[in-house]
Amino acid sequence: QKEVEQDPGPLSVPEGAIVSLNCTYSNSAFQYFMWYRQYSRKGPELLMYTYSSGNKEDGRFTAQVDKSSKYISLFIRDSQPSDSATYLCAMQGGGADGLTFGKGTHLIIQP
Amino acid sequence: EAGVAQSPRYKIIEKRQSVAFWCNPISGHATLYWYQQILGQGPKLLIQFQNNGVVDDSQLPKDRFSAERLKGVDSTLKIQPAKLEDSAVYLCASSLTSGGAREQFFGPGTRLTVL
Repeated sequence: QKEVEQDPGPLSVPEGAIVSLNCTYSNSAFQYFMWYRQYSRKGPELLMYTYSSGNKEDGRFTAQVDKSSKYISLFIRDSQPSDSATYLCAMQGGGADGLTFGKGTHLIIQP
Repeated sequence: EAGVAQSPRYKIIEKRQSVAFWCNPISGHATLYWYQQILGQGPKLLIQFQNNGVVDDSQLPKDRFSAERLKGVDSTLKIQPAKLEDSAVYLCASSLTSGGAREQFFGPGTRLTVL
């Protein structure tokens, strides 16, 4: 079992829909949870990070962490074609600074 | 603020050849990371530097991969000799320092194809 599991998709939704992206993890030592967005042939860019269980909102994006279930989510409201990208969940903790990434979910927003 | 710079952007070599990648982190960032991203996978940490010292190289295949950050700024990652399975994007990232949730800023990556 990989430390971080993420469905690679592709996930295709119409413009304006609410998108839900998820990851599960097995390492209880993870303390910080992040979502990165990666456009084709670009490096990942940080969208959101959370530390504790609960929700964190930033504009159209909401990150949710449930440490008891080892489950994190990213919600995108009013999705736009420009949101089409690969979304990577990443985790950090246990004394290590390096990030452990999921495979990434390829998201397609249809105009 | 200039981002993380990497070169070359693309490299094609034959197996058993050697190759080197260069990274210039964001000015003032003490921590530098190299990640390997194989097609269809998330990035995997290869090595972490704090200034010019190695903090974590537990996932670096040391029989063929080496990295250095001599003056605590630029870094080079070398593969010698390359194998087919080394085909991947090599991402460099930097953060202000280590510890806690420090944002890691990624460069555009070097796409390596080994034939």
